[in-house]
Amino acid sequence: GEDVEQSLFLSVREGDSSVINCTYTDSSSTYLYWYKQEPGAGLQLLTYIFSNMDMKQDQRLTVLLNKKDKHLSLRIADTQTGDSAIYFCAERVGDKIIFGKGTRLHILP
Amino acid sequence: NAGVTQTPKFQVLKTGQSMTLQCAQDMNHNSMYWYRQDPGMGLRLIYYSASEGTTDKGEVPNGYNVSRLNKREFSLRLESAAPSQTSVYFCASSARQGGEKLFFGSGTQLSVL
Repeated sequence: GEDVEQSLFLSVREGDSSVINCTYTDSSSTYLYWYKQEPGAGLQLLTYIFSNMDMKQDQRLTVLLNKKDKHLSLRIADTQTGDSAIYFCAERVGDKIIFGKGTRLHILP
Repeated sequence: NAGVTQTPKFQVLKTGQSMTLQCAQDMNHNSMYWYRQDPGMGLRLIYYSASEGTTDKGEVPNGYNVSRLNKREFSLRLESAAPSQTSVYFCASSARQGGEKLFFGSGTQLSVL
């Protein structure tokens, strides 16, 4: 079955890079996504990657995909206080999209 | 464009009461989804509808029913609410191209007493 795992918490100093990791189980995933949720708000799509790619860069965001290990990461360069949020990894398998439990990113001054 | 619209935003029910959460999208998307979000559990898929006229169970369908009324609307019904259904509910939709990304509504906060 499908399962998406990610660590629950990450603390990073302002200005450093944040790396949030995710593992998934279903090798037939077609797309993998990163969503951001700020307090009291819905989910906002940050970026996504097609399963036949291994890297995607979008401004401060870099997504790395290791399909062999079923490992996805999101790197946020020059982390700012506005990046404080919960980050969700998700995989698309057929018509379903399954989410991880989310990683809460805490920014230290 | 409004995107994905959910109603109501807040609801309090007593155990055993029924209610329907409404969701509509104006993006001409084929697929629609209902998720619930609980602290420490992330988002869990309740039901989804890959296209008009079809619905399928997700990870946690028990206690819920859905109706894909037309291409725009996908409702979630609680026939006999239980305290375990206290949660934040999100509706989402996606198209079949451009990454098949999910677009979310703003959520419904439901409390069952």
